[in-house]
Amino acid sequence: DTGVSQDPRHKITKRGQNVTFRCDPISEHNRLYWYRQTLGQGPEFLTYFQNEAQLEKSRLLSDRFSAERPKGSFSTLEIQRTEQGDSAMYLCASSASGRTYNEQFFGPGTRLTVL
Amino acid sequence: TQLLEQSPQFLSIQEGENLTVYCNSSSVFSSLQWYRQEPGEGPVLLVTVVTGGEVKKLKRLTFQFGDARKDSSLHITAAQPGDTGLYLCAGAWYGGSNYKLTFGKGTLLTVNP
Repeated sequence: DTGVSQDPRHKITKRGQNVTFRCDPISEHNRLYWYRQTLGQGPEFLTYFQNEAQLEKSRLLSDRFSAERPKGSFSTLEIQRTEQGDSAMYLCASSASGRTYNEQFFGPGTRLTVL
Repeated sequence: TQLLEQSPQFLSIQEGENLTVYCNSSSVFSSLQWYRQEPGEGPVLLVTVVTGGEVKKLKRLTFQFGDARKDSSLHITAAQPGDTGLYLCAGAWYGGSNYKLTFGKGTLLTVNP
């Protein structure tokens, strides 16, 4: 049984650089989510895909952030011109549609540190 | 803004003690989930509750959903050091988007041997 995987697990970058993270959801899940978690906080919703369509973006997702899920399978989250405030754990989750309630399963996260 | 408050924020107990943590909101949930998160890892789903008054048990963990579906509690019996972690509750709001979870800040539990 393969859960949600994320790559890389850790990323250290300098301010102003671009970074890209990848998420591979559970294979039969057609819904995919990105969250961000900072120290002492719970995860905060960033964006949501159903298949390849991006259906909602949080106000937290500035224009420096872009997410894609081109074939409805894996997803990428890119941050351009990183800032120190972008330092956080970026979490990906997936779920199956057609349920009456939404159980989301999370990956291990990508820890981003912007120097 | 719909908020989900968890209490206590920190809890440090000795092995064998019992504990309860709480998750409260002024709004109604359509469903609520409890997760446990270890440092440097993603949250792991423990349980989902959907019916007011519902009680679910997972070994030494007992989860209760309030009758009005605005609050929930997690009770751990005879805590063990392996229970150490951040316990998060997350809800999907009734009448809102059932795909978007709102998380509390969590309760950081430390069980000392």
